[in-house]
Amino acid sequence: AQKITQTQPGMFVQEKEAVTLDCTYDTSDPSYGLFWYKQPSSGEMIFLIYQGSYDQQNATEGRYSLNFQKARKSANLVISASQLGDSAMYFCAMREGPGGSYIPTFGRGTSLIVHP
Amino acid sequence: NAGVTQTPKFQVLKTGQSMTLQCAQDMNHEYMSWYRQDPGMGLRLIHYSVGAGITDQGEVPNGYNVSRSTTEDFPLRLLSAAPSQTSVYFCASSYSNRVRNTEAFFGQGTRLTVV
Repeated sequence: AQKITQTQPGMFVQEKEAVTLDCTYDTSDPSYGLFWYKQPSSGEMIFLIYQGSYDQQNATEGRYSLNFQKARKSANLVISASQLGDSAMYFCAMREGPGGSYIPTFGRGTSLIVHP
Repeated sequence: NAGVTQTPKFQVLKTGQSMTLQCAQDMNHEYMSWYRQDPGMGLRLIHYSVGAGITDQGEVPNGYNVSRSTTEDFPLRLLSAAPSQTSVYFCASSYSNRVRNTEAFFGQGTRLTVV
């Protein structure tokens, strides 16, 4: 069974608008971390944001915020005020531990295209 | 601070050839892993290591070997290359502490083509 599910293969957004990329996860480990990465066309993996399972508040990093709903096991990425440079693949990932292996598991990704 | 260094960046192999993808990190991270990225499949775990001398299989281990003789290095060996191993390969490292499960740091990737 998939541990990380990203149901949106592709998303389109107008420049300066906000967009939400969906991510649901599956784990029985009480301690885990959730991450989002950006992969531009150049191919490198860029870390965007982290949410710990015990964190009480949603994580924010500049224009990125993580909408963490623990009971629903969802960790959606919200990008506010989209820019053309936000066009990329976005991956949701999870690290489980200490009950798990501490090795990140990734979703299949969402391709985001920002229109001018 | 170099982070995670992965070599080569590009490689073309003939079917049946063997090769080693190199991965080195200078952050003293205990956890290292290899992924392959194929269109529409995300990053799938090949092998991983939770410390020097300890390795384990991931989701797609067939056709690959790894070893971890030092904390810094985690090479991935293709034993007999097949066209199905054409992919982009990423090495990653990470650590963990009592406060948080930290993000993984990635190498630049290796684009491998098997003809």
